[in-house]
Formats: sequence, structure tokens, C-alpha cells
Amino acid sequence: SQELEQSPQSLIVQEGKNLTINCTSSKTLYGLYWYKQKYGEGLIFLMMLQKGGEEKSHEKITAKLDEKKQQSSLHITASQPSHAGIYLCGADGGDNTDKLIFGTGTRLQVFP
Amino acid sequence: DTEVTQTPKHLVMGMTNKKSLKCEQHMGHRAMYWYKQKAKKPPELMFVYSYEKLSINESVPSRFSPECPNSSLLNLHLHALQPEDSALYLCASSQGRMNTEAFFGQGTRLTVV
Repeated sequence: SQELEQSPQSLIVQEGKNLTINCTSSKTLYGLYWYKQKYGEGLIFLMMLQKGGEEKSHEKITAKLDEKKQQSSLHITASQPSHAGIYLCGADGGDNTDKLIFGTGTRLQVFP
Repeated sequence: DTEVTQTPKHLVMGMTNKKSLKCEQHMGHRAMYWYKQKAKKPPELMFVYSYEKLSINESVPSRFSPECPNSSLLNLHLHALQPEDSALYLCASSQGRMNTEAFFGQGTRLTVV
């Protein structure tokens, strides 16, 4: 079965700093999603990547899917306290089903 | 309307109780999901319904029983739960068939005593 490993597990940065979160898949990714979650709440969709080499941006967050489609990175520029939360990458099962699985998660804290 | 609504927000139940979690979406999505999330862990897929039919059951114990009465509603019936079943239960929906984002509800915080 497909597994998604995220690194780092947790990150503490000072406001204004840039940071990168990585997501590595054990199999080829057919659809890669990035979500953000505040503690105890639902997941908020950030971006979806499908094609190898694809890059998307939303406000100060940029996500890329590598050419081989087995790794994705999420980059935050000039981090703010509002960026704090848990970032989760998700992937389609790749077996023509509606299965959606998640990575191990990265907990981000941003201090002033 | 891009909302997935879950009720109740919080639930405390005894090990002999029977309760149900409810989820509703009005986006015309054909796939609906139940996830279980323990503290500091990612969501774990439990069930997927496609076109109101159960398509994926991730070997979930029978004390959890899903139901999809119609294309907008998804229930999770709970019976004889254990304290280790205490978790955040998340519902989601999507257009399905890969490469479409899923929308999540705010979750139900379940405590089994």
C-alpha cells in the first residue's frame, strides 16, 4: 500500500522566516494534495498538484511536485503566526478508487 | 456552498451506548468519507462511499457501522465502543475519481467513557 512520509515532523520558526516541508511517497503520485489543519478542527484544502514538475502558489505558499512524481514540497515565504498549524499532504490511492490517504503531518509553530 | 456539516461537534458516550454521527453536504459530491484522527496523528481512512454504495472499508471493527441514506447524507453508527475509540471523527466529500480535492467537515470530538 502507498505510504506518505513528511519531514520535518515539527518546525518552529521566527516570524518572517522562510520554510519548506517535504512529502515523499512510496509510489508514483497521481494526485497530490496539501491541506492545513488547526488543532482539533477540520482540514482546509490548500493546493492540488497532478503533473510532474507542476508548481502552484497561493498567497505566500508555493507547492511543487517533482518530475518523477514521488515527492512534493511546500514552501512558505515570510511566515506569519497565521501560518501555524499542521500541514498534511494527501494522495489518491492510484488504484482507480476514491481512496485518499494522508502523510504523517508537519506541525508548524511561528513565533513573533 | 462548499460546506460539509458534521453533528454533533462533541459527543461523550458510555461503552454500552448507541449513538450516531452525522455528515451532510450539498455540493453534489458523489464520494463521501469517514476518517478517524487520534491526537498528533494524521487522519486514518475508515470508509468511502461512492454513489451511495460502500466502496472502501479499511478493516474497521464492526462496532462502527456506516450508512449513506442518500447522496447528501452520511452517518456513522456507534455501538459498544471502547475508550481507545476516543478520537476526532472527520467527514469529507469530493467529486471522486481521483484528482479532485476533498472538502472536510469540522469533525466530531468523541470521548468514550
